[in-house]
Amino acid sequence: QVQLVESGGGVVQPGRSQRLSCAASGYTFGGHGMYWVRQAPGKGLEWLAAIWDDGSYQYYADSVKGRFTISRDNSKSALYLQMNSLRAEDTAVYYCARARNSWTKNYLDLWGQGTLVTVSS
Amino acid sequence: QSVLTQPPSVSGAPGQRVTISCTGSSSNIGTSYDVHWYQQLPGTAPTLLIYGNNNRPSGVPDRISGSKSGTSASLAITGLQADDEADYYCQSYDSSLSGVVFGGGTKLTVL
Repeated sequence: QVQLVESGGGVVQPGRSQRLSCAASGYTFGGHGMYWVRQAPGKGLEWLAAIWDDGSYQYYADSVKGRFTISRDNSKSALYLQMNSLRAEDTAVYYCARARNSWTKNYLDLWGQGTLVTVSS
Repeated sequence: QSVLTQPPSVSGAPGQRVTISCTGSSSNIGTSYDVHWYQQLPGTAPTLLIYGNNNRPSGVPDRISGSKSGTSASLAITGLQADDEADYYCQSYDSSLSGVVFGGGTKLTVL
């Protein structure tokens, strides 16, 4: 069935790195842009990064620019988020989501179940 | 502080109509960028509720509707049901930030 499944969450120490993965299935992965969105405990949604369908462009929120890197492997139907120099405030559930429409009109029509990243010593 | 402002909470009795506002500015909603809405049931991932200001994905009932005017947008739910109790988020694009922005979210309580 059409779905996104995130993995790679867990407890990580401040200053360390973590890589999240998102496995897509049931649709043509390479035909859609993809997003990472996070939600800190008890807080709202925060857009982090987006990547075009062919991987040619990436966009980042100021809060993670220079620390996080979004990438994709269309041959594996996989999306990634490399997170470096993690801070306590990066503790959140991280969702991958499928984008529809053009960049400034993007909406997210398919979401994964999320993976929890806890940054703590 | 979110770029898009939503009321923290709204409530209504079963069968009633509620609206949730989403107020932006001239760099997002006011520049004719589309507004989209998501529903997040407790303990679950968000799901798309309204896209392109007033379009419903298949499976979303027509008692749920969206509208946009000027620098604001609204989500309306009529015939309120117990399982509408959830958090609701608006989303748009902001030209000043060159990225996607979400509202802070509104918790809907069905009395």
